[in-house]
Amino acid sequence: GQQLNQSPQSMFIQEGEDVSMNCTSSSIFNTWLWYKQDPGEGPVLLIALYKAGELTSNGRLTAQFGITRKDSFLNISASIPSDVGIYFCAGQGSQYGNKLVFGAGTILRVKS
Amino acid sequence: DGGITQSPKYLFRKEGQNVTLSCEQNLNHDAMYWYRQDPGQGLRLIYYSQIVNDFQKGDIAEGYSVSREKKESFPLTVTSAQKNPTAFYLCASSSPYEQYFGPGTRLTVT
Repeated sequence: GQQLNQSPQSMFIQEGEDVSMNCTSSSIFNTWLWYKQDPGEGPVLLIALYKAGELTSNGRLTAQFGITRKDSFLNISASIPSDVGIYFCAGQGSQYGNKLVFGAGTILRVKS
Repeated sequence: DGGITQSPKYLFRKEGQNVTLSCEQNLNHDAMYWYRQDPGQGLRLIYYSQIVNDFQKGDIAEGYSVSREKKESFPLTVTSAQKNPTAFYLCASSSPYEQYFGPGTRLTVT
């Protein structure tokens, strides 16, 4: 099935740094979702976006629904050690029914 | 507490045996999904159901079967026909706009 282009694939963070990641697609989506997955656990929904241009925050996390409806961005400000994990983006569009299309994930690791 | 439960957390089976993974939700969602996740990989859709007594194949349905007799429950059977069954299995349910995941079941087949 189709997959979203999520980048970067992985990144190292130092505590206190800001982090950015994004997802792009050749298709238009009506909803963008961002999830975080800790090792051995199910993904947890962080932010949901429903409208082109929408900017939504959840604590230190901020996500945007791109104006073209083909991309979305997630920023984490002032990162802390518990931010490590895998972040997935997902898009929902009428062409896929209620099914989500997922990115491959961005792995966040701590610099040692 | 509302949510999705999957049991057990860890499951071990011998090759050639069928095994059924449980998924229950009390979120009153119509739609439910099963995904497979392999190490370092993203999520691949196995089966989904948008309403009771109806389900559709996802991208990797071969070797799997499901049933949806109740709104709350969507069990997945991994059959002996599945060539590489060892994986992390995630169940999810969704409202029209947001999808939520269970904690997952790690299946190991030897």
